[in-house]
Amino acid sequence: TQLLEQSPQFLSIQEGENLTVYCNSSSVFSSLQWYRQEPGEGPVLLVTVVTGGEVKKLKRLTFQFGDARKDSSLHITAAQPGDTGLYLCAGGGAGNMLTFGGGTRLMVKP
Amino acid sequence: EAQVTQNPRYLITVTGKKLTVTCSQNMNHEYMSWYRQDPGLGLRQIYYSMNVEVTDKGDVPEGYKVSRKEKRNFPLILESPSPNQTSLYFCASRMLGGANEQFFGPGTRLTVL
Repeated sequence: TQLLEQSPQFLSIQEGENLTVYCNSSSVFSSLQWYRQEPGEGPVLLVTVVTGGEVKKLKRLTFQFGDARKDSSLHITAAQPGDTGLYLCAGGGAGNMLTFGGGTRLMVKP
Repeated sequence: EAQVTQNPRYLITVTGKKLTVTCSQNMNHEYMSWYRQDPGLGLRQIYYSMNVEVTDKGDVPEGYKVSRKEKRNFPLILESPSPNQTSLYFCASRMLGGANEQFFGPGTRLTVL
């Protein structure tokens, strides 16, 4: 079974600060997805990266897939209270497998 | 509206009383799966299905059953629930291929006393 470790598990910051969340594995993934989950709801896809070294930007969020396709990072610039939630990375493997990390719970205080 | 629906959203039951959580999607997706989400453990896959009548075990299948008689429906069955199955359950669907967006239902919070 492929494993994905996310760090940190919890992060509490003030509005306006920057932060980075990491998703690491010893396995190679064919794709890497980031989801965000709000309380009482299911996860919602933010982005999919498929090429080693790929960088994607979504407004204040920057996603990077490691060159070796074993790790990924999510950077948020000038965090806002609306960014509060659980961030999950998920690695696509052989066939249709999708492995989820344990999640990073982010709280942005006004 | 494209969506995955689950019912019920909340359920409190007792040990040993059989229950079924329904899941339905309206996006004509081949791939459907069930996850449980527990604090600190993330999302763990219980069962998945790549098409009608094709189901397979995920990482934590013990104590669960599924069926896929129609493309849109993928019910989760707990024949004899136990307290360690108290969890938040999510149904999800997507097109085949690991890089495709997975759409999740709203979740079912199950408590087994």
